[in-house]
Amino acid sequence: ETGVTQTPRHLVMGMTNKKSLKCEQHLGHNAMYWYKQSAKKPLELMFVYNFKEQTENNSVPSRFSPECPNSSHLFLHLHTLQPEDSALYLCASSPLAAGEDYGYTFGSGTRLTVV
Amino acid sequence: SQKIEQNSEALNIQEGKTATLTCNYTNYSPAYLQWYRQDPGRGPVFLLLIRENEKEKRKERLKVTFDTTLKQSLFHITASQPADSATYLCALSPNTGNQFYFGTGTSLTVIP
Repeated sequence: ETGVTQTPRHLVMGMTNKKSLKCEQHLGHNAMYWYKQSAKKPLELMFVYNFKEQTENNSVPSRFSPECPNSSHLFLHLHTLQPEDSALYLCASSPLAAGEDYGYTFGSGTRLTVV
Repeated sequence: SQKIEQNSEALNIQEGKTATLTCNYTNYSPAYLQWYRQDPGRGPVFLLLIRENEKEKRKERLKVTFDTTLKQSLFHITASQPADSATYLCALSPNTGNQFYFGTGTSLTVIP
């Protein structure tokens, strides 16, 4: 375990379903992120939260809705997804300030399949 | 447009040799550059960070160089082992903030 826990690990959903991905960290980090990883593509930064406040939304479609109730928890609410949204969704956390060991801590991801 | 490019082809090397992976970027002026390792079905794991004013950084068998003139970082694994087989990702931050953008990664296989 990395310290960042994502649930569920696998999710299959229909295009009309509503589901949520959950991410939890107890590393004392103040920043949390959602990334999307598709085959043969770089990780795509979707959302950034610093101290529970969203600071970045990289033109993500509204069918993806993030929620950050506190610095330890992050959700990604999904509704009316498309098959091309099938991917590995990764949550990460980090300190805000750069330091010698500054890096993201990633969870193991949720493998999402939209049918 | 901004791009981060890594060796698109998989790299195969013999155990004990030094693996060298390349990360090139365009239209960025990164303050930080990071390298991660990713195993199949897992999230990336942070390895090293290098700052724009640093030329080189080492950690055990790993060495990273950063040339802001060439807009390139090299990642070396010396005395490579089969357990080093994985995909390696570079990521950079265009400022001193905490948002990092990733390359596509290079798959490394170390052959016993």
